[in-house]
Amino acid sequence: AQSVTQPDIHITVSEGASLELRCNYSYGATPYLFWYVQSPGQGLQLLLKYFSGDTLVQGIKGFEAEFKRSQSSFNLRKPSVHWSDAAEYFCAVDTAISNFGNEKLTFGTGTRLTIIP
Amino acid sequence: DAGVTQSPTHLIKTRGQQVTLRCSPKSGHDTVSWYQQALGQGPQFIFQYYEEEERQRGNFPDRFSGHQFPNYSSELNVNALLLGDSALYLCASSSPRTGDYEQYFGPGTRLTVT
Repeated sequence: AQSVTQPDIHITVSEGASLELRCNYSYGATPYLFWYVQSPGQGLQLLLKYFSGDTLVQGIKGFEAEFKRSQSSFNLRKPSVHWSDAAEYFCAVDTAISNFGNEKLTFGTGTRLTIIP
Repeated sequence: DAGVTQSPTHLIKTRGQQVTLRCSPKSGHDTVSWYQQALGQGPQFIFQYYEEEERQRGNFPDRFSGHQFPNYSSELNVNALLLGDSALYLCASSSPRTGDYEQYFGPGTRLTVT
């Protein structure tokens, strides 16, 4: 069965600094990969996704992520964080995209991002 | 364009009781998935409904059941509530027939079991 590991439970970054959130997955084939963001009291919002093709994907809010097959990783990056980026970030994997869309997402445990002025 | 809506926002129940949570999918979506997010954890897949049938199910006991109506809205029912059922329950909708593979999440229902 697939699994997702987010090794950093909590990260603190200064406003304006760069950010990288780590995500490693376990799956025998190429998975479909996602990053979601969750603000307090809110549902999940999709930042970006990787299905195939270019391994560097661009998302909303200035985020990007790079799929590295050799490292089984899909790290999220942002060159300069804003105070509004403070939230919980979840990496997710789906192994079967069919005519029925996402079969079922498997999420990591999340990384809480704190921004200091 | 209304997104995914869920009701109620918060709910407090006692052990052993039964609860029903409701979800209305994003306009144009016909597939609904339910997830349980315990405090400090990532969401866990419960099940998915399409054409009023359960298509996929995660590792949850039969106490968790669901239903999808002809208008694509959905209900999640949990019987014989346990303290461990306290969590944020998220509903997500998608539109497989149009090739939109993104799952759009609602704000969730916070269930507290005492």
